[in-house]
Amino acid sequence: DAKTTQPPSMDCAEGRAANLPCNHSTISGNEYVYWYRQIHSQGPQYIIHGLKNNETNEMASLIITEDRKSSTLILPHATLRDTAVYYCIVRPSSWGKFQFGAGTQVVVTP
Amino acid sequence: NAGVTQTPKFQVLKTGQSMTLQCAQDMNHNSMYWYRQDPGMGLRLIYYSASEGTTDKGEVPNGYNVSRLNKREFSLRLESAAPSQTSVYFCASFRDRGSQRDVSNQPQHFGDGTRLSIL
Repeated sequence: DAKTTQPPSMDCAEGRAANLPCNHSTISGNEYVYWYRQIHSQGPQYIIHGLKNNETNEMASLIITEDRKSSTLILPHATLRDTAVYYCIVRPSSWGKFQFGAGTQVVVTP
Repeated sequence: NAGVTQTPKFQVLKTGQSMTLQCAQDMNHNSMYWYRQDPGMGLRLIYYSASEGTTDKGEVPNGYNVSRLNKREFSLRLESAAPSQTSVYFCASFRDRGSQRDVSNQPQHFGDGTRLSIL
C-alpha cells in the first residue's frame, strides 16, 4: 500500500492561496489520491480526489505530477475557517482499507 | 454529516467496564469503518467491514470487537475498558462495489465522533 508524506505544519495568510504538498512515491497505477480535512476534531471532511488529471471543485484544486509521485492541494483564497488538519491519502489496492497519516496542520492567519 | 450517525456523543467509563458504540448510515453503503483518534494524532483504523456479515482487523484491533448487524449498522464493543482506550472514535461508510476503478473513486463519509474517557 502506498504511503504519503506531508509536512507537519504550515501557515498561510488570509486571502492568499495555500499550497499543500504531498509525496506518494510508491503509488501504483490504479490508486487515487484523496484529500480530507479535519476541523476541531470533528469528523473528517472530504475535499477532493484524483487519479492522473488535475481536478477542481468548489473547495479546492488538486494538481498531480505527471509521474504521480506527488500532488499539491490548492486552496485558492484561504479563510480563517480553513484552519484545519489536512490529510493526503492514497486509496490502497485492497478493498476496504482507507488509512490516514499524520496530516498537515494548516493555520490561516489574518 | 447527516448520513452517518454515531451514539453516544460522549461517554465516561471506569476501567473494566464494557460498552458498545453504535454507528448507523442511511446511504446504502456497503463498507463501514471504525477509527480512533488520540489527542494530536491522526486517525487509526480499528476494524472495518467490507460488506454485511464480514469484518476485518485494521491497524489497532486489540481490545475491541465489532459486529456488522445489518447493512446500516456497525457497532464497536469494548469488553473491558482500559485508560489507553481513551480516545475519540469515528465511524465511516463507503460505497465499495463495482470495479476497482469504481471502488477507488468513492469518498468516505464520517460521523461526528464519540468522545470516550476511561478513568
